[in-house]
Amino acid sequence: AQSVTQLDSHVSVSEGTPVLLRCNYSSSYSPSLFWYVQHPNKGLQLLLKYTSAATLVKGINGFEAEFKKSETSFHLTKPSAHMSDAAEYFCVVSRAGNMLTFGGGTRLMVKP
Amino acid sequence: SAVISQKPSRDICQRGTSLTIQCQVDSQVTMMFWYRQQPGQSLTLIATANQGSEATYESGFVIDKFPISRPNLTFSTLTVSNMSPEDSSIYLCSVMTGGSGANVLTFGAGSRLTVL
Repeated sequence: AQSVTQLDSHVSVSEGTPVLLRCNYSSSYSPSLFWYVQHPNKGLQLLLKYTSAATLVKGINGFEAEFKKSETSFHLTKPSAHMSDAAEYFCVVSRAGNMLTFGGGTRLMVKP
Repeated sequence: SAVISQKPSRDICQRGTSLTIQCQVDSQVTMMFWYRQQPGQSLTLIATANQGSEATYESGFVIDKFPISRPNLTFSTLTVSNMSPEDSSIYLCSVMTGGSGANVLTFGAGSRLTVL
């Protein structure tokens, strides 16, 4: 069985400051991990994915995530938040076959 | 990546009625997935729809409540039957696109249902 936990349901940052969205996973085998973003009233968009290649993964819009096996973490970061980054973010882990397990989501708020 | 069109994008429905959501993909795909996102919640997989066979439902979801059709490799429908206010959710269609060692889900924009 596998699961994914997003440690913060809400994160608030000021524009121009760093973003950190935390994700921990559990899996009985080497997982594939993803981050998706959902803007209000829009579908989900893939930000980045980890597939057992480089542990530091760069995604779109300046986001990146680091896979740390020893900590079973896959935290999402961005050096400088922009107002347009305000959205819901989901950490996702793959399981057997093509099935994905979604974390509970983190709502990122960006203050001017 | 695939482009997915869903309709309706939103609807307001009366208790006890049924609504069918359509999902059209611009390329042929083997598997299509239906997710539910309840208000303020994460996504939960309802079922996997394979062309030419019955859909595979996740625990807590049954065919009588959520019948699915998959007539060809580019189209699927999900029906929400005998709706109650608890069915108010966003329903999302998705497909798996492969490559680079990991399959990636691409989502439609979703269908937001409100049941009164």
